[in-house]
Formats: sequence, C-alpha cells, structure tokens
Amino acid sequence: DQQVKQNSPSLSVQEGRISILNCDYTNSMFDYFLWYKKYPAEGPTFLISISSIKDKNEDGRFTVFLNKSAKHLSLHIVPSQPGDSAVYFCAASAGGNKLVFGAGTILRVKS
Amino acid sequence: EPEVTQTPSHQVTQMGQEVILRCVPISNHLYFYWYRQILGQKVEFLVSFYNNEISEKSEIFDDQFSVERPDGSNFTLKIRSTKLEDSAMYFCASSSGNDEQYFGPGTRLTVT
Repeated sequence: DQQVKQNSPSLSVQEGRISILNCDYTNSMFDYFLWYKKYPAEGPTFLISISSIKDKNEDGRFTVFLNKSAKHLSLHIVPSQPGDSAVYFCAASAGGNKLVFGAGTILRVKS
Repeated sequence: EPEVTQTPSHQVTQMGQEVILRCVPISNHLYFYWYRQILGQKVEFLVSFYNNEISEKSEIFDDQFSVERPDGSNFTLKIRSTKLEDSAMYFCASSSGNDEQYFGPGTRLTVT
C-alpha cells in the first residue's frame, strides 16, 4: 500500500535551523492530513493537521503546507531543537475514518 | 491532559493461544481504532469502531480478530488463535470525530 510516501528515511539538521519533512500521496480522495511524532517504544503523538480546503496550518514551531495539485505536503519545524529528534509520520484520511500512514522519516537534530 | 492507555505493555504468548489487548480511550471520544506496526514496517489500520459496531476493517482483520467495548470505558482487541506473524506493536487510538486520532503507548505482542 503506497498511497502515502515519505521518500526520505532520515534527515539530519543542526539545532536552530529549519527541518523540512516531506510527504507525497496518490489518493485524491484524501481530505485530511496529519503529522505524528514517535519515540521508540511509544505510540504516535499527534502534532499538527491540515484539511484539504487549506494550504497552510501553523502551530508554534510547526507549520504544515499542503499542495493539492502536486499531492504533496511538508512539515516545517523552526527552530529545530534536540528534543525534536524522533520518527515523524505523515498520515492521511478520506472521509474521517482510517488513517493511512507513510513509512516515517527519522529526524536527528544535532546540538 | 487526557490520554489513551493500553495494557499490557508487553504480552508474550504461544502460537495458537488467545490474547486480549485492552485499551481505555479518552473519555469523551466516540470513535475507536486499532492499528498495528510489525517491526520495520508501516503503521497499518486494523479496525474502526463507532456506536458499538465496526465501521470499517482492513483485510488483515479476519475472523481471528474481534473487538468489543464491554463497558463504558474499555475497548478490547481479541486474537483467537495467534500466529507467529501476529507479532507486532498494537496501538489503540480514539477520536472525537474531528479526524485527529490520539494513540496509546502500544502493546508489544510476541508470539512464540
């Protein structure tokens, strides 16, 4: 099931700089997109979401951008902090039921 | 802050045995879900539950699986006869219906 793809398995960023995590999707029925953060041996923690009627949503250091024509979304974290080091999952839903997850991107923020 | 809880954190069972994984969703949530993540793979949807019935299930959720909300607080996943390939992290999630699902810490199921 490749409906949601995160093509970068890992990303390394210097503390204080911007982290940009990318996600592509193929199903045009998706109307809601979410980003989750996950530490080892813990469940995914909800970070931020965006509806398909918007192209940007911001919450503190986290901003999600949605480009519907390109079927692409990205998560920007600025400034990045060492505590942001985790696995980040992109997820999508169609009509508000099951979430379809990407494979995740490991973010390492170096101090 | 309200959170989803799951018990046990780790369950070891022999192949062919029944297991029940337990979850307590966030108290005012109405939609409940089970997902699993096999080691090294994606988080996969298993089943969603609303108004005391299954609203959607994946092809993984075969006759060996069942869910139940036995009382006003618990939400359980039962696997009747476990297989080696059922070994995974099982995550419970709940939502109020606005699409943001909140996940529990997971139960690691090991089938030997």
